[in-house]
Amino acid sequence: DAGVTQSPTHLIKTRGQQVTLRCSPKSGHDTVSWYQQALGQGPQFIFQYYEEEERQRGNFPDRFSGHQFPNYSSELNVNALLLGDSALYLCASSSLSGGALDTQYFGPGTRLTVL
Amino acid sequence: RKEVEQDPGPFNVPEGATVAFNCTYSNSASQSFFWYRQDCRKEPKLLMSVYSSGNEDGRFTAQLNRASQYISLLIRDSKLSDSATYLCVVNWRDTGRRALTFGSGTRLQVQP
Repeated sequence: DAGVTQSPTHLIKTRGQQVTLRCSPKSGHDTVSWYQQALGQGPQFIFQYYEEEERQRGNFPDRFSGHQFPNYSSELNVNALLLGDSALYLCASSSLSGGALDTQYFGPGTRLTVL
Repeated sequence: RKEVEQDPGPFNVPEGATVAFNCTYSNSASQSFFWYRQDCRKEPKLLMSVYSSGNEDGRFTAQLNRASQYISLLIRDSKLSDSATYLCVVNWRDTGRRALTFGSGTRLQVQP
């Protein structure tokens, strides 16, 4: 049973560029949440997708957008990258239909460096 | 004020010691509570949920005090492998939000 997978593992971009990160949820899970974790901080909620729609959003600008596909996988897009976007981006999956939405399982993350 | 506050540590303890971490949260409508463990440069992993009656999993005991909006984690007989950052996590009820809110974490270093 595959857990949550994310790609790529590492990414280096320059300011102003755009980036797309990918996530496949754990088998049987239908909800994907994205988090940003800066160095020395806890993860901060970006947004959550269920049934291919953004259901909730944290305090992040519109430069951060996402998508969920029919197979429940998800993408996180960040436009006009800033130095401050450098962080570990974590994807977490959970099951709304299973009634255990609060229990979220994290992928290994994508470490984004913006130069 | 942060929604979830933790002492960042680090806590440096010898093997076999008992160590306790505390966490406070600001929103009284919080619904669910967890402790996650995060190893250096790895993803957070669920350690245990926290229930009002308190719960234990082996050497780990979690307590919740809703009146004081306070959560604790007790680790007995510390092992070298317990060295990690421990994240206090809550989920709010009032907005219907189903996203986790993390503290900044408490770093534990168990020494031989």
